[in-house]
Amino acid sequence: EPEVTQTPSHQVTQMGQEVILRCVPISNHLYFYWYRQILGQKVEFLVSFYNNEISEKSEIFDDQFSVERPDGSNFTLKIRSTKLEDSAMYFCASSEPRAGETQYFGPGTRLLVL
Amino acid sequence: GQSLEQPSEVTAVEGAIVQINCTYQTSGFYGLSWYQQHDGGAPTFLSYNALDGLEETGRFSSFLSRSDSYGYLLLQELQMKDSASYFCAVGSNTGKLIFGQGTTLQVKP
Repeated sequence: EPEVTQTPSHQVTQMGQEVILRCVPISNHLYFYWYRQILGQKVEFLVSFYNNEISEKSEIFDDQFSVERPDGSNFTLKIRSTKLEDSAMYFCASSEPRAGETQYFGPGTRLLVL
Repeated sequence: GQSLEQPSEVTAVEGAIVQINCTYQTSGFYGLSWYQQHDGGAPTFLSYNALDGLEETGRFSSFLSRSDSYGYLLLQELQMKDSASYFCAVGSNTGKLIFGQGTTLQVKP
């Protein structure tokens, strides 16, 4: 069964450093998303991406964040200058051409900012 | 804005039936989804309702009443492996999902 993959599974970084989280969505999906989940809290929407541009972004997704689909398979989330409060699990998700009904989540990248 | 309310915890015994309720406030409703999340794992899609009524998928059913801004997830024949967090989420036309705080279900033998 096709699945969303994410790398790395864990990332430890120093405050102020840049991190790039990588995702490979399911191949025939056209909608891509990033979410984050701070430990013990709910899953929070960051950004949705369709047709090579951002469809919607949340208040969390400020100028420090960016997304890119550099080729036909990868979808990346970059945090330019990490803060302590960016420590969370980051999930990538993708969905089929009809947006939103069923989103398939990757296993997540656990980011720890020290 | 958008907000969802669901109970924080529910406990039930193996073999029982449990219902997890969700009420929502949203502008522009594009359906109510349910996701399951085991500790440390990814959310996994369970069910989706765009229209009023009941959707059944095996042991899991989900109900929606748009006029009441209310839905529920029904889990039947509970198994120990059903112990997890369950999130309701409302969708938007961009595919964005707004999740509730989650309900932790503990299934006891």
